[in-house]
Amino acid sequence: EVRLVQSGAEVKKPGESLRISCKASGYEFASHWIGWVRQMPGRGLEWMGVIYPGDSDVRYSPSFQGQVTIAAATSINTAYLQWNRLKASDSAIYYCVTHMRGRREDLDSWGRGTLVTVSS
Amino acid sequence: QSVLTQPPSASGTPGQRVTLSCSGTNSNIGSNYVSWYQQLPGTAPRLIIYRNIQRPSGVPDRFSASTSGTSASLAISGLRSEDEADYYCAAWDDSLSGLYVFGTGTKVTVL
Repeated sequence: EVRLVQSGAEVKKPGESLRISCKASGYEFASHWIGWVRQMPGRGLEWMGVIYPGDSDVRYSPSFQGQVTIAAATSINTAYLQWNRLKASDSAIYYCVTHMRGRREDLDSWGRGTLVTVSS
Repeated sequence: QSVLTQPPSASGTPGQRVTLSCSGTNSNIGSNYVSWYQQLPGTAPRLIIYRNIQRPSGVPDRFSASTSGTSASLAISGLRSEDEADYYCAAWDDSLSGLYVFGTGTKVTVL
C-alpha cells in the first residue's frame, strides 16, 4: 500500500524560506513520479509540478515555475517542496501526490496535506 | 489556473442519480485521460475514477464516468449522505510545456 506522510503545519513570515517534505513508502520511490498540489483557502486544486526521483527530472506548471523548487532524496524516499522567499499568497494546504501510471496520468495517492500559513 | 469547467453545485436526495459535467478542450480532455477526485470536507482528495472510466479498488460501483469529445461526466447513482463532497475532474493538458489541470470543482449536496 502506498503511503505518503507529510511534514507538519508551518507558520512563517513573509520573506522567510521554507521546505516541506513528503516521505513515501509502499512502492519503488525512484521509479515513479511524485508531485505537489496546492489548495488555497476555500479554493480548488492546482497542480504545481512533479519530479522523477530516479533521475531528478522535474516538470513545473508554468504558474509555479521559478516560484518553488521540487526535489527528492532517493536514499530516504522523500520528496520536498521549497520556497526561498515566502509571500502571504503562499498560504495554502500543499498535498503530496503520486503519479504511478505516469506523469501525464492520474494522481493515485495523496498525502494528508501540509498547511502553510504566511503572515506578518 | 483551472481550465476545465464544472458547474459549482449539484444536489439530490438520497437514492437519486446525480450527474456532474466537466468541459475542456482538445488539448486536455480531447486527447488525454480524464480522472475524477472526491474531496470530503476537511480531508485530502482521493481518486475515484482514472483513465476515463476505471474505478480504483474500494470505490463503489455507484460511481461511473464517461467522456465524449472534449467533455466528461461523472454519475453518482443511489446517492448517499456520505457522497456529500467536492468533486474535481482533471486531465493532462498538452498546451505550453504540458501540465496537469483540474476542473473548477462541483459541490454535491445531499438534501
